[in-house]
Amino acid sequence: GAGVSQSPSNKVTEKGKDVELRCDPISGHTALYWYRQSLGQGLEFLIYFQGNSAPDKSGLPSDRFSAERTGGSVSTLTIQRTQQEDSAVYLCASSQWDRGLMNTEAFFGQGTRLTVV
Amino acid sequence: RKEVEQDPGPFNVPEGATVAFNCTYSNSASQSFFWYRQDCRKEPKLLMSVYSSGNEDGRFTAQLNRASQYISLLIRDSKLSDSATYLCVVNGRNTPLVFGKGTRLSVIA
Repeated sequence: GAGVSQSPSNKVTEKGKDVELRCDPISGHTALYWYRQSLGQGLEFLIYFQGNSAPDKSGLPSDRFSAERTGGSVSTLTIQRTQQEDSAVYLCASSQWDRGLMNTEAFFGQGTRLTVV
Repeated sequence: RKEVEQDPGPFNVPEGATVAFNCTYSNSASQSFFWYRQDCRKEPKLLMSVYSSGNEDGRFTAQLNRASQYISLLIRDSKLSDSATYLCVVNGRNTPLVFGKGTRLSVIA
């Protein structure tokens, strides 16, 4: 499809296990974002990739969280030794740059609902 | 001070009412602005971009006041289907989009 694709859509994991969440951005979009959203809360910024620049990791809550973006396209968010407080919906979004190096509209995937039991 | 602040609401309004949301941002270097809409258990989707001169899309009007660093969204003739959370979004040059926590709107029959 033409939209942002995330997988899996739902993930239930045991506390202490590692999980990998995948995001396929819209083809040609140079910017990719990861956010998470707990029930009834706002979006929490995690990490931002823009082209070949070093990613902005300032939102990652701990060193258990990491993300990669291979070939400027697909991204994987990895959470090691999951904790119950990691339970949330993890949203990926992508956007383009305009000529002024500004990010245009961000398109979101449908998210991965992570439940740590 | 948070980067983007919104009144969380909820705003409970009757059908046909006019409702306005405001959003303030702290980074004076911000250059682009958006309003997103998020339905319950769904991903956010762009409602409209906000231009310096103000812009209108049907029943929706967005305004930007750079001097006071706030953005507004006006919804006229509210419909039941307008019930959602409205997110204010601010962007600077080569920086990630910054989302407000959102304002919840419930339109009541």
